[in-house]
Formats: sequence, C-alpha cells, structure tokens
Amino acid sequence: AQSVTQLGSHVSVSEGALVLLRCNYSSSVPPYLFWYVQYPNQGLQLLLKYTTGATLVKGINGFEAEFKKSETSFHLTKPSAHMSDAAEYFCAVRGFGNEKLTFGTGTRLTIIP
Amino acid sequence: NAGVTQTPKFQVLKTGQSMTLQCAQDMNHEYMSWYRQDPGMGLRLIHYSVGAGITDQGEVPNGYNVSRSTTEDFPLRLLSAAPSQTSVYFCASSLDRGHSPLHFGNGTRLTVT
Repeated sequence: AQSVTQLGSHVSVSEGALVLLRCNYSSSVPPYLFWYVQYPNQGLQLLLKYTTGATLVKGINGFEAEFKKSETSFHLTKPSAHMSDAAEYFCAVRGFGNEKLTFGTGTRLTIIP
Repeated sequence: NAGVTQTPKFQVLKTGQSMTLQCAQDMNHEYMSWYRQDPGMGLRLIHYSVGAGITDQGEVPNGYNVSRSTTEDFPLRLLSAAPSQTSVYFCASSLDRGHSPLHFGNGTRLTVT
C-alpha cells in the first residue's frame, strides 16, 4: 500500500520569503516521488522527481526537494518566493513495481506582496 | 507535439445520461490513466491502462468504464451520470509505469444536475 500526506491545505508566504511545503509518504517498497504544480484551470505540470541516487533533487522554477528515507518525507522548498509561484502543489508517490501513482490532497500556496 | 488532448473542456449532463470523455496522446506512451479532482481530496485514480487491450481499476472505478483499443486513445465512459460524478476529470499518460512522470491533459469540467 502507498499513501501521501500533505500537511497544510493552505500556505501563505510573503514575496521573497522561504517556501516550505510538506509531504510525507508511506510505501512498502522503494518509492518514486514527484511534485506537481497546478495553475488555475490547467492540468498538472511536473516540478521535480526523485527516483534513485542523489537525495536532493532540483526542479524547475528554483524549487528543490530532499528525500529523507528515515523521516519518510519529501518536502518542497524554494529560497525566495515569487508572485508567479501562487498555485496548488501536489506530492505523489509510486512504489517500485506499482502501477498506480497516488497523490496527496494538495497545498494551495498564496504569495503576499 | 500536442501532448495529451482531452475533449470536451466543459460538459453539463442530466442525471441518468451517459457520455464519453475523450483522451488522446501522441507521445507513444504505454501508460494512460484517468483521475478525478475534487476540492480537498486531491486527485483520485479512476482507471488506468498499461498498454493497448489492458485496463484495470483504480480507487474510484464505480460508474465508469474504459477501453484501450489503440495506444493513442483512452476514452472514459459514464454509464448513467449521477450528481456525485460532478468533478474535474484529468487524463494523464507516461512512457512507462515506473519513474517516468505523468503528462496531463487540461481537464474536463463535468457538472451533473
């Protein structure tokens, strides 16, 4: 079985401040982990993914995430928020050998000018 | 490349009507899937396919049928629409069922009255 928990359905940060979106996962096999972003009235776009190897993963638009196996976490960060980062963010897990990709419930990020 | 194309973008149905949501991809992807997105619930997997002629159920399959006669197309059929099926539906595809990311269509917003 696999699952994803995203802490905080809404997060607000000031422009220029650190963005931290939390994701914890559960998987009985080694996981593949993904972060997606969804802008209003659009589909989801891949931000970054972890498969194997380096645990710090860099993605598009200055985002990065660190895979911590001991904490079963894959938190998303960005050092300095920009107005264009306002969107909904989804963490997802697919266990090795599992055909299904399971999503968290999402975190809506608001940027305060 | 068009990527993943979904039609229609919007649809209103009356309870009991049937319809088909269309999904096509031009990337020669092996894996295709349908999700529904509801507020506060993230994306939930309805059905998926790992190749032409092969389909399987996700976590919320009741009331929906799929078929995969070609690699490119993966239509979703609502047999007898119910208000509980009011949602935004996303089709997504990936190269394989492993660590390849999903590519999403722009969604179909369905309202059942």
